Amino acid sequence: GAVVSQHPSWVICKSGTSVKIECRSLDFQATTMFWYRQFPKQSLMLMATSNEGSKATYEQGVEKDKFLINHASLTLSTLTVTSAHPEDSSFYICSAPIGEQFFGPGTRLTVL
Amino acid sequence: GQQVMQIPQYQHVQEGEDFTTYCNSSTTLSNIQWYKQRPGGHPVFLIQLVKSGEVKKQKRLTFQFGEAKKNSSLHITATQTTDVGTYFCAGGGGTSYGKLTFGQGTILTVHP
Repeated sequence: GAVVSQHPSWVICKSGTSVKIECRSLDFQATTMFWYRQFPKQSLMLMATSNEGSKATYEQGVEKDKFLINHASLTLSTLTVTSAHPEDSSFYICSAPIGEQFFGPGTRLTVL
Repeated sequence: GQQVMQIPQYQHVQEGEDFTTYCNSSTTLSNIQWYKQRPGGHPVFLIQLVKSGEVKKQKRLTFQFGEAKKNSSLHITATQTTDVGTYFCAGGGGTSYGKLTFGQGTILTVHP
């Protein structure tokens, strides 16, 4: 099946810093990618839809200025958590749809 | 907006017992997908159901899509310890390609 990679797999940062997470489709092109956040033992909450060549579409309640999404090419979308705070600590997962959704392995963010 | 409710939230079974998780959508779905997430891992696609009343089987797993395309179930016969994880249903039906609404998930624990 299709492969989606994510980098880094985990990151620890200080409060107030920014963190960039990359999501790549390795063997297919993805005009659309999705970014989710998942807290422990909870479901996946869709944060935004990343659209290649245009602005991302954010879900209600997600701050677009805090979670910057860039979909610069057909194989790469990035999520930047700006001025991270401890409450932003979570598991961030991207996915790309080809009928079904192929998920990246996720990035565990810990903000101290 | 579309909401997908999933029950139960937790299920503990003895190895060999059966297991069922149920999903119910507030709106008619175009399709429903099922995913499994192992502890510490990312969601992995299991199956997609599209047709009203559809039933699909994968070895010990049986998936059903309701006649009204608003509910679905996943049944596992004779659970094994390898079945542990969280099972999510995800409903499609929005205007955005590939956009899914995930249920809360059912965390399955299998005791040997």
